[in-house]
Amino acid sequence: DARVTQTPRHKVTEMGQEVTMRCQPILGHNTVFWYRQTMMQGLELLAYFRNRAPLDDSGMPKDRFSAEMPDATLATLKIQPSEPRDSAVYFCASHEGSGGYTFGSGTRLTVV
Amino acid sequence: KNEVEQSPQNLTAQEGEFITINCSYSVGISALHWLQQHPGGGIVSLFMLSSGKKKHGRLIATINIQEKHSSLHITASHPRDSAVYICAVSRGANSKLTFGKGITLSVRP
Repeated sequence: DARVTQTPRHKVTEMGQEVTMRCQPILGHNTVFWYRQTMMQGLELLAYFRNRAPLDDSGMPKDRFSAEMPDATLATLKIQPSEPRDSAVYFCASHEGSGGYTFGSGTRLTVV
Repeated sequence: KNEVEQSPQNLTAQEGEFITINCSYSVGISALHWLQQHPGGGIVSLFMLSSGKKKHGRLIATINIQEKHSSLHITASHPRDSAVYICAVSRGANSKLTFGKGITLSVRP
């Protein structure tokens, strides 16, 4: 089965450090999403791309978060500097046409 | 008020029971999605519905567009069905998902 691959699976970092999360969407899926999941807020959209162009990043704190899609096989989410409140599970998902959404396994981020 | 509401937050059932999980939404949608997440696990898409009913194994999902309501049914429940079930809606092709808070289901042996 085709899958969305996220790396790393787990990341523990100190406050102030830069964190980069990577996502390889399913080949041929033209829409890629970044979601964040916390106990308090549940799942929230951070940003998404269609055909590699950013469509909506209104859910992202712009001063510290950035999302890019340098090519069709890679999406990145960067936090600089990281803060303890960024601790969450970050999911990437991809989608194409009328099919369902496929989620990656997530990156569990802990900022201490 | 959230655009997608699920209740109750937690649900406990005995193995073998028929389970129904409900979802209501307040906006126009192009599709409704049922997702499953096991503890510490990833998110799996179970169904995407725009009308009627879909069945996959022991799972059945229905949607009533006029009433803005969907149900996920689990027949002959099993402890491995214990998970969080999340309802989400999309509003347009290839669009972002808006999620409910999820329902935590525990099926006791």
